[in-house]
Amino acid sequence: DADVTQTPRNRITKTGKRIMLECSQTKGHDRMYWYRQDPGLGLRLIYYSFDVKDINKGEISDGYSVSRQAQAKFSLSLESAIPNQTALYFCATSDPGGGRSYNEQFFGPGTRLTVL
Amino acid sequence: AQTVTQSQPEMSVQEAETVTLSCTYDTSESDYYLFWYKQPPSRQMILVIRQEAYKQQNATENRFSVNFQKAAKSFSLKISDSQLGDAAMYFCAYGTKAAGNKLTFGGGTRVLVKP
Repeated sequence: DADVTQTPRNRITKTGKRIMLECSQTKGHDRMYWYRQDPGLGLRLIYYSFDVKDINKGEISDGYSVSRQAQAKFSLSLESAIPNQTALYFCATSDPGGGRSYNEQFFGPGTRLTVL
Repeated sequence: AQTVTQSQPEMSVQEAETVTLSCTYDTSESDYYLFWYKQPPSRQMILVIRQEAYKQQNATENRFSVNFQKAAKSFSLKISDSQLGDAAMYFCAYGTKAAGNKLTFGGGTRVLVKP
């Protein structure tokens, strides 16, 4: 079974609709992240969470909200979807790492979202 | 803010040949980490190689190696003996522990492998 899962894998919705993307992990990591990928722009950070009570805005948080329901679950919501939110969305997890070690991020399989 | 730039939108390489992908970054930090991720058509993000800024030795993972030039803020990826399975998007990324392990990505380079 995959360590980081995302649902749905693909979604088409209409402008103005509310939509939630879900992420679950079995890695036991405290840190979780949401990124969006656009052609030519790479991945950009939307929100991140260090634990259930610690949620932070990323580079491009406008139009999005998140919920950390448990250590293992981190959801991304689009309250009123618009076409320029059409993108590939990734969830990732990591541990903080001790000392100078930097623990890598583990990515989910991505959600392809299309807003018409 | 940190920025990561990949100046080559697309690179083409003959099977068994070598290709080098460029990446430059801008930072005022002294302790940071650099990564190359591979994204095949399956969309999965796969970590290819990582480099700690405090290490002078360039990282190597099998056919993948980096040329890390800290003073020039350059971090290139060399793929040797290219294989058809290397065809993918490649992203350069930067992160620091001080910033909570958040990653800043470049725009990506698509690698095409010709048989």
